[in-house]
Amino acid sequence: DGGITQSPKYLFRKEGQNVTLSCEQNLNHDAMYWYRQDPGQGLRLIYYSQIVNDFQKGDIAEGYSVSREKKESFPLTVTSAQKNPTAFYLCASTPRTGPATDTQYFGPGTRLTVL
Amino acid sequence: QKEVEQNSGPLSVPEGAIASLNCTYSDRGSQSFFWYRQYSGKSPELIMSIYSNGDKEDGRFTAQLNKASQYVSLLIRDSQPSDSATYLCAASDTGRRALTFGSGTRLQVQP
Repeated sequence: DGGITQSPKYLFRKEGQNVTLSCEQNLNHDAMYWYRQDPGQGLRLIYYSQIVNDFQKGDIAEGYSVSREKKESFPLTVTSAQKNPTAFYLCASTPRTGPATDTQYFGPGTRLTVL
Repeated sequence: QKEVEQNSGPLSVPEGAIASLNCTYSDRGSQSFFWYRQYSGKSPELIMSIYSNGDKEDGRFTAQLNKASQYVSLLIRDSQPSDSATYLCAASDTGRRALTFGSGTRLQVQP
């Protein structure tokens, strides 16, 4: 089955800890995205990557870091500099060629809670 | 800052009625528009995409786009209780090749 997987489903972080959220896709999509969703709110863009070894900051990149060493993988690290990281984190991907280059498909999400 | 605006709701409709969801966007350069459905605690799933002015129908769903008014809407005919969810509107951000999302409209379909 083709799709986007995110792990873990639930993650608990202690104050001062860095944690890494995994996002993997086997859709052969070039572009990948990380969003944050707070209760009752829409999706805010954290980082995005159009091709391997390249990524750009979104609207709320402070306190987060990413890497894109492989086309299939786009992990997100939530650092201790992110003061309020409790949220639902969503990974998405989109093809860069073909008729639907803007359509984003989402993984199941990771719910991060700070203890 | 490019924005997509939606009424947060809740929008309550009786079962079998038409639900009408609306969205406005600020980026005049946006070319692609999307409606996603999100059930509580789940990730968004794509319902419709629309790229040209006018209507696009897919089953019980009709998306409408008016680029001159910077307005997008979603009509759900014969609403079912299973349609109860939050509906997210998104517009393409041509400068970044990303999407800008609205905060969503919560729809409640009463049996």
